[in-house]
Amino acid sequence: GENVEQHPSTLSVQEGDSAVIKCTYSDSASNYFPWYKQELGKRPQLIIDIRSNVGEKKDQRIAVTLNKTAKHFSLHITETQPEDSAVYFCAASGGGYQKVTFGTGTKLQVIP
Amino acid sequence: DSGVTQTPKHLITATGQRVTLRCSPRSGDLSVYWYQQSLDQGLQFLIQYYNGEERAKGNILERFSAQQFPDLHSELNLSSLELGDSALYFCASSVAESLYNEQFFGPGTRLTVL
Repeated sequence: GENVEQHPSTLSVQEGDSAVIKCTYSDSASNYFPWYKQELGKRPQLIIDIRSNVGEKKDQRIAVTLNKTAKHFSLHITETQPEDSAVYFCAASGGGYQKVTFGTGTKLQVIP
Repeated sequence: DSGVTQTPKHLITATGQRVTLRCSPRSGDLSVYWYQQSLDQGLQFLIQYYNGEERAKGNILERFSAQQFPDLHSELNLSSLELGDSALYFCASSVAESLYNEQFFGPGTRLTVL
């Protein structure tokens, strides 16, 4: 089955700096890659997603890049703010009606 | 507030027991997903229902079962509970069948098995 590895497990950055979280996946059939943000004690929320026919997608300060050949994708957060502090999960699935596999999460701390 | 409701918020029970978790999707959403989040296993997809029918299955144990009713609410039944079943169980809903549609998560049910 699919295996998703996520790094780093924890990340501390100064407010205003950029943060990058990386994930690799094993199943070349995976074609949908969502990212979720989970604040402490709260529910996961989708922040951005990308399909395999696209190499990059951007939404304001958040961007995701996908390298299908290397089977890895990354989340980039620019101009980080304290409210970006949370656990971020990457995920991979065959899209459509396939099951989704999550990475182990990255705890991001933005230091004011 | 995502519009997805889950009851109960907390559940404490003993090993060997059976519990039922309930989820009401957002108005208009036909798909319901169940997830388990634990410290050692992370976030795991369990199962998806669409308009009453099972659509995708993840790492759901045989001791667990789910269903979606005609009014679209869903229940996750956990039986012969073990200590390792202690976790946060999330339900999510989306408007259509495909995983490409955004999922909205409920607040979760925290299950503690003693």
